[in-house]
Amino acid sequence: GEDVEQSLFLSVREGDSSVINCTYTDSSSTYLYWYKQEPGAGLQLLTYIFSNMDMKQDQRLTVLLNKKDKHLSLRIADTQTGDSAIYFCAEKKNGGFKTIFGAGTRLFVKA
Amino acid sequence: DVKVTQSSRYLVKRTGEKVFLECVQDMDHENMFWYRQDPGLGLRLIYFSYDVKMKEKGDIPEGYSVSREKKERFSLILESASTNQTSMYLCASSFGQLYSNQPQHFGDGTRLSIL
Repeated sequence: GEDVEQSLFLSVREGDSSVINCTYTDSSSTYLYWYKQEPGAGLQLLTYIFSNMDMKQDQRLTVLLNKKDKHLSLRIADTQTGDSAIYFCAEKKNGGFKTIFGAGTRLFVKA
Repeated sequence: DVKVTQSSRYLVKRTGEKVFLECVQDMDHENMFWYRQDPGLGLRLIYFSYDVKMKEKGDIPEGYSVSREKKERFSLILESASTNQTSMYLCASSFGQLYSNQPQHFGDGTRLSIL
């Protein structure tokens, strides 16, 4: 199938780390993206990774890829109230034209 | 930075009206996309375009059409608006070949209400 699956909600305390998980469909050759959507706004690209990589780090964000399990995670270190948003995982197969989006994980950050 | 601009953040129209949603990108991107976003349904692709005057149907094209007369502008048209087209509409663009790994960049969205 084409599904990219994510849990719907995550709640963390300010200052803790957040880990948002995603499973995707094709482990052979694919591009994987993380987007952030703040209330009333569009999707903002956070980072992306190709399936021949295991990890990518960008400041407070760390992306981990487990190809065997087709599992992608986004870790946000030192989570702040401004990180409260919906986070979308997306997959694009190599040679394909369509980007498949997950339903999004709503992150709540408690002060 | 890539800038994708949607002409309206909020729009209210009446059933049966012809509605135009406009999207402009300033980075000379080849590909442009229209999605709608509904609670519990995520993003669904309506139409996309990979070149001027070229358009392809996405997953839910019924009730919509598109126009791409210039590279930077992609318009979504609701020929006769209906209440089930009340939604958040998102425009996106991407660089290069449609099959490349280049990510899509999104506008801020238009929240359309059909009364």
